[in-house]
Amino acid sequence: DAGVIQSPRHEVTEMGQEVTLRCKPISGHDYLFWYRQTMMRGLELLIYFNNNVPIDDSGMPEDRFSAKMPNASFSTLKIQPSEPRDSAVYFCASSRGGNEQFFGPGTRLTVL
Amino acid sequence: GENVEQHPSTLSVQEGDSAVIKCTYSDSASNYFPWYKQELGKRPQLIIDIRSNVGEKKDQRIAVTLNKTAKHFSLHITETQPEDSAVYFCAASLAGTASKLTFGTGTRLQVTL
Repeated sequence: DAGVIQSPRHEVTEMGQEVTLRCKPISGHDYLFWYRQTMMRGLELLIYFNNNVPIDDSGMPEDRFSAKMPNASFSTLKIQPSEPRDSAVYFCASSRGGNEQFFGPGTRLTVL
Repeated sequence: GENVEQHPSTLSVQEGDSAVIKCTYSDSASNYFPWYKQELGKRPQLIIDIRSNVGEKKDQRIAVTLNKTAKHFSLHITETQPEDSAVYFCAASLAGTASKLTFGTGTRLQVTL
């Protein structure tokens, strides 16, 4: 298995632009998590899905952030419009049964 | 919700010495406590976990202890090596349910020669 796949690995964009981050979880995993990591705030859970259904989105910073999981093998995290304070590493993780989480390589987002 | 506190935030030890990282949690219902290691520029990776029906678990040089009464758990690394240098995160959750992991703030471990 290739593990959790994320794309792009790096994204540089200008303030106001739309950003879409993508994630492919490990096959057979029924949980998918989106995290944001910064030096100041550490590792923050933004949202997680169980069987493609959003369970808890209380960590989503504001309406500019949205996440979808149209099927068991794909999820997106969208930021529109992006702001410099959104600059961070965004990790996707998946698990089976809500236990050990396997993280993807992350997307390093820079908003100028 | 769950709140996890982790100490210390940074830890420097000499190669061969032991390192201990401590975490406390607030929700007495939590029963799953993993530890993740994150090397510079890499993803967090699980190194060991413990469930509430176990007080201690060991895997080679790494051990985790859990005190449910006091709601704290610790990571112990013995005979530290330079490759142990990384950021370590503890976490807590209610395993096997639609429940999220709550992470501690991380401990940066530096193993010096």
